[in-house]
Formats: sequence, C-alpha cells, structure tokens
Amino acid sequence: DAGITQSPRHKVTETGTPVTLRCHQTENHRYMYWYRQDPGHGLRLIHYSYGVKDTDKGEVSDGYSVSRSKTEDFLLTLESATSSQTSVYFCAISESRDGTSTDTQYFGPGTRLTVL
Amino acid sequence: DAKTTQPNSMESNEEEPVHLPCNHSTISGTDYIHWYRQLPSQGPEYVIHGLTSNVNNRMASLAIAEDRKSSTLILHRATLRDAAVYYCILRDVGTGNQFYFGTGTSLTVIP
Repeated sequence: DAGITQSPRHKVTETGTPVTLRCHQTENHRYMYWYRQDPGHGLRLIHYSYGVKDTDKGEVSDGYSVSRSKTEDFLLTLESATSSQTSVYFCAISESRDGTSTDTQYFGPGTRLTVL
Repeated sequence: DAKTTQPNSMESNEEEPVHLPCNHSTISGTDYIHWYRQLPSQGPEYVIHGLTSNVNNRMASLAIAEDRKSSTLILHRATLRDAAVYYCILRDVGTGNQFYFGTGTSLTVIP
C-alpha cells in the first residue's frame, strides 16, 4: 500500500473557525491532490500540487486554500469553515499526470469533517 | 472535457462474472480509460487502465470497443469483497486533465 496518511481522521468544528487538514506521503511522488466527497456527487477535485510551492485550483476550490512547503506534505485549509464544507476529504498522490500507468492515483484513508 | 456514463447500480451473484459498462462517446484519441473502485468507508483504489487494446491484470479485465466509445470492466468471479462503487474515468495524455469521478456504478454482490 502507498504510504499516505491523513490527519486528523475525524474533526467536528464550528462555523467560522479555521481548519487545516494534513496529507503526508512517504512515496516521494510529485503530484498531490485534495478531493471532497459528498452524497450524489462522487469525488470532486479541490486543489492539486505539481511540486513544492506549485499548486493549482480544481473544480470546487472556492473557500479552500492549500500549501506545499515540502514534497511529503500537502495542507488543505478552510479559512472560515461553513456547514456546506461538511464532507469527507481525501488526499491522493501520483507520479505523473499523463494518463499512463504512472498517472495512477493512490488515495489516503480520508478525513471526515463536520461543521456545525 | 470528455465525460463518461455508467449505470447507477448493478447486482451480481457471488462467484459469477460481472460486466460493468461505461460509455464515453466523446473520447479523444489521446484519452486513456481508467477504472477505480471505492470500497465502503475507504478511499478509491486503482483497478485497471487501457488505451486501445484489451487489458488484463490480477484484479480484472478491461475490454475496449473498437471505436473506443465504450468499455467494459470484467470481474471474472465476483466475491463479496468486490462490492464497491466502480468509477470509469478518462485521462488525457499531455494535458493533465482532472480526474472526473462522476457517481460511478454501485455493485452489490449477492451471496
């Protein structure tokens, strides 16, 4: 199994508070991704990173920011959490983004976030 | 961006083959076809991928239509552990298009 951990695994917070989720990998893969999964929507990409300090927006990036100061860590921050951000968040990694076998994404176990 | 269409749900009896269809009528010549599955309470996991030719691995087989407008994931003998949501995804070589997971097909395996 790919070495991907997410922390925390569960979090309950209140509307308006900042929240940071951490993804840590031990595979030295270049690309890292944050997805959210909601009932009826499948997984949707929030942000991704293609290297240290290199990030780009995904399909549902509003209200989220990310940072990658080291290859192994990718942080997702909700500056002011809202109830609509209650979701399960998955981190993923890949070696490439070219569609071939190295484009395989490996997913972490997920973080269940509840915003009251 | 090319998207895929899958049935919302399917059922299969245990130890029987399962054919999971995916339509991708707007596929481009450089799109790879990837399949992932998501077991309950877990993140998605890679199953198989291909470009033009049929592919086999230890988990499944992928049959790609000659015109590439559809594909079928084949589980040769379904087990209870194969109960999951299966996603068919197109990946474009060179442009790094996002993974559009869609809502996938929820497979129920009946003992």
